[in-house]
Amino acid sequence: GAVVSQHPSWVICKSGTSVKIECRSLDFQATTMFWYRQFPKQSLMLMATSNEGSKATYEQGVEKDKFLINHASLTLSTLTVTSAHPEDSSFYICSASILEETQYFGPGTRLLVL
Amino acid sequence: SQQGEEDPQALSIQEGENATMNCSYKTSINNLQWYRQNSGRGLVHLILIRSNEREKHSGRLRVTLDTSKKSSSLLITASRAADTASYFCATHTGYSTLTFGKGTMLLVSP
Repeated sequence: GAVVSQHPSWVICKSGTSVKIECRSLDFQATTMFWYRQFPKQSLMLMATSNEGSKATYEQGVEKDKFLINHASLTLSTLTVTSAHPEDSSFYICSASILEETQYFGPGTRLLVL
Repeated sequence: SQQGEEDPQALSIQEGENATMNCSYKTSINNLQWYRQNSGRGLVHLILIRSNEREKHSGRLRVTLDTSKKSSSLLITASRAADTASYFCATHTGYSTLTFGKGTMLLVSP
């Protein structure tokens, strides 16, 4: 149980395009979903916390207009990287929480912006 | 900001040996969690230890927590090549967010 999926698993795009990443909780309803970013050989950095039906809470330094988060249902959250640039290339991981203690992580999405 | 700091940064051992990783943190916590990440993959939750607990076991994993020293350790006994991964501690401070440490890369050689 507690499976989280992400789609796509990896994407290559041209600079200036927008990329949407989906995060789904497959067998449970998640009250909260989280989006992280991870650079090679580094730890996870929380980007934003998302609750269903409300606006996401962004961490300091994360541009909300650059990284659009939509949490339309208890099983789906999306992250859209708008007008992506090479410096946005990274590994993006989502997680979903039931009791807000344990987070269940998706497999991650690797983004490469050319 | 990162709260947890793991050490060592990297650990290389032989199969069958035990692996110990440490994590230190700075502020009061509700619980501390350990996660594992295989290269290029998502995180897998290993174990959660609450602030009022001192030790917890799960299979070959043993976690200790010393809130007076703000530190935790993860022991993997009888390691296997399949244990090769990065291990992260993460602290939960009462809000819903987790703060991750920098991780320890464990290499278990056959």
